Amino acid sequence: KQEVTQIPAALSVPEGENLVLNCSFTDSAIYNLQWFRQDPGKGLTSLLLIQSSQREQTSGRLNASLDKSSGRSTLYIAASQPGDSATYLCAVRPSGNTGKLIFGQGTTLQVKP
Amino acid sequence: DGGITQSPKYLFRKEGQNVTLSCEQNLNHDAMYWYRQDPGQGLRLIYYSQIVNDFQKGDIAEGYSVSREKKESFPLTVTSAQKNPTAFYLCASRNGGGVETQYFGPGTRLLVL
Repeated sequence: KQEVTQIPAALSVPEGENLVLNCSFTDSAIYNLQWFRQDPGKGLTSLLLIQSSQREQTSGRLNASLDKSSGRSTLYIAASQPGDSATYLCAVRPSGNTGKLIFGQGTTLQVKP
Repeated sequence: DGGITQSPKYLFRKEGQNVTLSCEQNLNHDAMYWYRQDPGQGLRLIYYSQIVNDFQKGDIAEGYSVSREKKESFPLTVTSAQKNPTAFYLCASRNGGGVETQYFGPGTRLLVL
């Protein structure tokens, strides 16, 4: 059974720091891995999606990497800003046709001015 | 504007009552999903539908029911059999071609009176 774990559960950093969020999964048979952002009481916004054949994806100050063999992904945020404060969720789509996602518990990030 | 709408934003349920959460999408997506989120946790799959008039149980389907009579709509009913319904409910749909990804609605918060 696929399990997804995110470490740390919460993180507080001063503005301007570079930071790394971690995601690990137990079964390497995945179709893709996706990072989402969730603001309090809101839905999810997709940040980056990495296909199983890819190693990384970049969007602006965000960079996500994928190492299927070790079951790990990282989300790198450069030059953090207070507006980056949110919960970041990692989700794995297992191989197969259902398209369902399996989520980690999330990392709640606070960036202090 | 294309997107997913969920209503109501807040819903209150009395003991023994069934309540229905609405999810509508105008993205022309075949696949739709219902997830439940508890405080400090990731999302868990309740039900999903890959085509009209067909749906499958997810990981926590007990106490819930769905229908998929139209492509645009995927309502979720929380029945009286669900003993702990207080949670944040998120609906999503998935595109079928190219880079497949899930798009999420704004969510419905269900509270028990």
